[in-house]
Amino acid sequence: AQKITQTQPGMFVQEKEAVTLDCTYDTSDPSYGLFWYKQPSSGEMIFLIYQGSYDQQNATEGRYSLNFQKARKSANLVISASQLGDSAMYFCAMREGLQGAQKLVFGQGTRLTINP
Amino acid sequence: EAQVTQNPRYLITVTGKKLTVTCSQNMNHEYMSWYRQDPGLGLRQIYYSMNVEVTDKGDVPEGYKVSRKEKRNFPLILESPSPNQTSLYFCASSSTPPQETQYFGPGTRLLVL
Repeated sequence: AQKITQTQPGMFVQEKEAVTLDCTYDTSDPSYGLFWYKQPSSGEMIFLIYQGSYDQQNATEGRYSLNFQKARKSANLVISASQLGDSAMYFCAMREGLQGAQKLVFGQGTRLTINP
Repeated sequence: EAQVTQNPRYLITVTGKKLTVTCSQNMNHEYMSWYRQDPGLGLRQIYYSMNVEVTDKGDVPEGYKVSRKEKRNFPLILESPSPNQTSLYFCASSSTPPQETQYFGPGTRLLVL
């Protein structure tokens, strides 16, 4: 079974609009971390935002926020006031557990295109 | 500047010719990992290392070897590359606190003919 599911292969959004990228996860471990990465066409992986399973508040980093709904096992990325430079692939990832291997399990990604 | 470096960035090789992709980090991180990225599959972990001389298999280790003789270096070795190892490879590192994210290298694009 998929541990990280991103149901939107592609999204097209008008510049300056807000956009929500969906991510659902599956784990039985009470301790886990959720991450979002951006991959522009140049290929590098850019860390955007992190949410811990015990964090009480939703994470925010500038224009990025993570809508964490623990009971629904959902960790959607919200980008406010989108810009042309936001066009990229976006990956949701999960790390399970506090100890042991820090393996990130990735979703298949969502390709976001911002239209002028 | 804190960074993870990989070399080479691009490589075209032929089936069976041994190759090594180097990875180095300057952040004194204990944990290092290799991933491969294939279209439609996201990133999958190949091998990881918790510290010097401590390595273990990830989800897709077949056809790969690694070593961790120094803390800063974690090379990926393909003893006999095959076309199904054509992929984009990323090295990543992090320190041990669980909230630390993994810092990724720039990636190595490998084509095996």
